[in-house]
Amino acid sequence: DQQVKQNSPSLSVQEGRISILNCDYTNSMFDYFLWYKKYPAEGPTFLISISSIKDKNEDGRFTVFLNKSAKHLSLHIVPSQPGDSAVYFCAARDTGGSNYKLTFGKGTLLTVNP
Amino acid sequence: ETGVTQTPRHLVMGMTNKKSLKCEQHLGHNAMYWYKQSAKKPLELMFVYNFKEQTENNSVPSRFSPECPNSSHLFLHLHTLQPEDSALYLCASSRGGEMNTEAFFGQGTRLTVV
Repeated sequence: DQQVKQNSPSLSVQEGRISILNCDYTNSMFDYFLWYKKYPAEGPTFLISISSIKDKNEDGRFTVFLNKSAKHLSLHIVPSQPGDSAVYFCAARDTGGSNYKLTFGKGTLLTVNP
Repeated sequence: ETGVTQTPRHLVMGMTNKKSLKCEQHLGHNAMYWYKQSAKKPLELMFVYNFKEQTENNSVPSRFSPECPNSSHLFLHLHTLQPEDSALYLCASSRGGEMNTEAFFGQGTRLTVV
């Protein structure tokens, strides 16, 4: 049973427009959420995170929104650039757990067209 | 460059072979992880080491054997693998002891079992 779901396997947007990547989770114990970006033949790289005590975190062009009641988070990229084309993974952690395990979604392939 | 280095980058092995994957981190982190990424699946956590102690074994078959001699090095020993074990194996590290931190990933080892 997938605890972190990214229901859109792919997303295509035009350069300069907003990209919105969505993620849903089922485990109510998750209280820390992260987005990773992955280029082909490379490992995932950390992008941005949010703690459950917040509903928004912003870093430059990237903003993550968290809706705890809906168990939903989203990553907004604005303006989108061709170099943002990659697979984006949503991950979640239960910080009350005894280990440091991240649970990942399947990823969404973002393509930003020039 | 994330500070986490994996070798080799690519590995082809027969089902009767024994090989090892190596991971080294230069970040001063205390937690290290092995993840498996198969096609069209989420990243699956395999093992977690925190301060050199194994804190998670996510029901991984015994043909995968981890070793963590110190906080900077992590190995994954492979023997009598099956073709379905072909995947991208990713090593990651994080500070450990602090819950709200991100994990840094290596570039992965692309393993093919023939």
